[in-house]
Amino acid sequence: DIQMTQSPSSLSASVGDRVTITCRASQSISSYLNWYQQKPGKAPKLLIYAASSLQSGVPSRFSGSGSGTDFTLTISSLQPEDFATYYCQQSYSTLDSFGQGTKLEIK
Amino acid sequence: QVQLQESGPGLVKPSETLSLTCTVSGGSISSYYWSWIRQPAGKGLEWIGRIYTSGSTNYNPSLKSRVTMSVDTSKNQFSLKLSSVTAADTAVYYCARDTDPHDAFDIWGQGTMVTVSS
Repeated sequence: DIQMTQSPSSLSASVGDRVTITCRASQSISSYLNWYQQKPGKAPKLLIYAASSLQSGVPSRFSGSGSGTDFTLTISSLQPEDFATYYCQQSYSTLDSFGQGTKLEIK
Repeated sequence: QVQLQESGPGLVKPSETLSLTCTVSGGSISSYYWSWIRQPAGKGLEWIGRIYTSGSTNYNPSLKSRVTMSVDTSKNQFSLKLSSVTAADTAVYYCARDTDPHDAFDIWGQGTMVTVSS
């Protein structure tokens, strides 16, 4: 099984800040890495697929990078609506797995 | 646009079987892959398994012995059965779509809360 580890688990930041969240896979997953945003009581929403492709309708302040085992999600200038929990997910294996999540809170 | 809606009992007794259905509306269920994902309160996401419209499946190894998924293309629905449930199976259960097992989950249902309790 492929294990996904996110860091940090939680993060405090201010509106306008640049934020980076990291996801590491236990083995190489090429670019089969996706990022989701989840707000309380809601289903996850796809932000980034294939490591760096922006899902339609997602603001361009979100970006993703990486390949192999190390990946990052960057929010270039935090907006109030960005405070949420973010999950990475590998789709390299037919047995999918998610990171444990990163909760982004207002400082 | 395609929408997913989970349905099923919100309360299941320990040792019994949890049964959920996901109804696909606004598009065809055919030629896509369909997954179940769950989330215990305050915790992260756990992928349960995936089914293709042909009926082929992949299951999370940690749940494989208790999981059965099926698809009914005539009703545009797919289903999850999880047997021998315990309190640890209490969670919000989501259904989701991907166009390929190596793709992302681009469409999700709103989720349904299932509590395992006597």
